[in-house]
Order: sequence, then structure tokens, then C-alpha cells
Amino acid sequence: ILNVEQSPQSLHVQEGDSTNFTCSFPSSNFYALHWYRWETAKSPEALFVMTLNGDEKKKGRISATLNTKEGYSYLYIKGSQPEDSATYLCAFRSRYALNFGKGTSLLVTP
Amino acid sequence: NAGVTQTPKFRILKIGQSMTLQCTQDMNHNYMYWYRQDPGMGLKLIYYSVGAGITDKGEVPNGYNVSRSTTEDFPLRLELAAPSQTSVYFCASSYDGASGNTIYFGEGSWLTVV
Repeated sequence: ILNVEQSPQSLHVQEGDSTNFTCSFPSSNFYALHWYRWETAKSPEALFVMTLNGDEKKKGRISATLNTKEGYSYLYIKGSQPEDSATYLCAFRSRYALNFGKGTSLLVTP
Repeated sequence: NAGVTQTPKFRILKIGQSMTLQCTQDMNHNYMYWYRQDPGMGLKLIYYSVGAGITDKGEVPNGYNVSRSTTEDFPLRLELAAPSQTSVYFCASSYDGASGNTIYFGEGSWLTVV
């Protein structure tokens, strides 16, 4: 069992605020780090797959960084919008499958 | 674009009943997975398969069985339903085990055991 920790557990911000979450994972035997966005009653939506130390990826207002040596990844949302409200999951890829954190639940209010 | 399709979406079972959650994918993916999501917990891996005819246990396999007779289908069977199996179940797939490959999820199946 690989321990993947996410913080904070939940976050409430105002529209227009920028925010970030943390994912920490085992720094040994690293394969990949995945970020997903999940709204209840929908499929978790893949945001990023990150494989290299120092990776930075961006998708619109959302970006992520990766530090495999120290075992953490940050997800940033710039100028949060109400439609960004969701649970953000990170997952550490082991040999065959993903090991998930508990997620960060984001609520963005107008 | 069907992707990963799960059925049923919602189901209520009585203790001791059996049922099968169906999962099919149309992306010709070799790897398929079943996860469960409990409130306040991360997704936990139940079973996975790296190809037709090959399955293996994940973190929480007890009370479940799977089979993979075709590339497309990966059903999950609950033999004697227990209240502890009340959960949201997600099926997922990926092309192979390469670390950079995205894993695609179905929309989930909400199961309540009473």
C-alpha cells in the first residue's frame, strides 16, 4: 500500500482567487503522478500525467509541478471560477495501477 | 465516444444477494481496473487486469470476483453482498502499463447494501 497524502482536505475560495493544493507521495520507485478532477456523478477527468522530475504542465488556468526527489506535486488554479468547484485527486502510479489520495474538495463561490 | 461504460448506475441490494457490475471499454485498452470510493477515503483498487485472461488482486479484493474473457469487458461480481460493500464503484482502463498513459474512468456505479 503506497501512501499518497493530499492537503488541504477541503478549500473554499472566492471567485477570482488563485489557489493551490499539495500531493505528497513515496519518492522511491516513481513511475508517474496523475491529477484528476472529479465532479460527483461524473467520471474522474484526467488533468495531467507527470513523469519527469521538474515537470511543469498547464491546461488553461490550471497548472501542476512535480518534484520526484522529495515526493510532492502542486496543483495551481489561477483566477478560480465557480465551475472549478470539484474534488481534485492525485494518484501515484505504481507498476500496474494508481494509488489515490483522498482528494481536495474545492468550492468556489461567486 | 463511449469510452468506459459501467452498468448499472444505481442499485440497491439486500444482504446476501449477488450481482455483477458490468464494465466495457471500446478503446482497445489492455489494462482494466475496478476501484471503490468510500466517503472520506481515496479510491481503493479492488482488482485489475493486464489483458484478456489475466486478472490480479488489488488492495481490497475480499468479497469480489472478476473475469476478463475479452479485451473489452471486465465484470465485477459480488457474491454475498454485505453492508460494508456499500460504495461507489469505478471501472477504468488504460492502453497498457506505461507510466505516461492516461487511465480513463467510467461514471461510477452507486451500490447500497441493506
